[in-house]
Amino acid sequence: QVQLQESGPGLVKASQTLSLTCTVSGDSISRSSLYWSWIRQPAGKGLEWIGRIFNDGTINYSPSLESRVTISADTSKNEFSLNLSSVTAADTAVYYCARGSRAAAGFDYWGQGTLVTVSS
Amino acid sequence: SYELTQPPSESVSPGQTASITCSGDKLVDKYVSWYQQKPGQSPVLVIYQDTKRPSGIPERFSGSNSGITATLTISETQAMDEADYYCQAWDNYIGVFGAGTKVTVL
Repeated sequence: QVQLQESGPGLVKASQTLSLTCTVSGDSISRSSLYWSWIRQPAGKGLEWIGRIFNDGTINYSPSLESRVTISADTSKNEFSLNLSSVTAADTAVYYCARGSRAAAGFDYWGQGTLVTVSS
Repeated sequence: SYELTQPPSESVSPGQTASITCSGDKLVDKYVSWYQQKPGQSPVLVIYQDTKRPSGIPERFSGSNSGITATLTISETQAMDEADYYCQAWDNYIGVFGAGTKVTVL
């Protein structure tokens, strides 16, 4: 069974960098035709796509966050990561990692989400 | 930037049909996915590639895409279907979500 688990600090100071890791079990992030995404959701608001990384290293970012976001993968640990720099209170949200596939074009497995609060 | 537009809310009586729309430019060229999210839970994929249901999703969930509007239909709605529903598509390799529709089963 595919499982994704987010981990990282729940509290980040404003202007610093938010760093999260998603550990994948039951599947390989190196498997072709798959991609691995980060998605966030501020309290009481909708879902916002942040970016994705493919097995071949191709990366796409949301244009609204591209200047501050870095997504990377560590195939030896079967995990991928998110770095978001220069955070503000507006970056406070539940952050999800999710699996997608080229064929289905949707996110079929999600992590449980982790709340990150940016403090001033 | 590309946008997907959903109505903010939809009310339905138990046993009736709920229809949630998602409109966007050139939807005919895109696959639409739909997600159900209940309070405090992660989203769940209920429809992908406009019309397909993942395994484990009840048959009462169906989807369509007319090219102008994508629609998620919940037939014979049950109390457990009360949730927020989000549509999602890809535009030039960028993921886009609709703002979500809150479905209330009265």
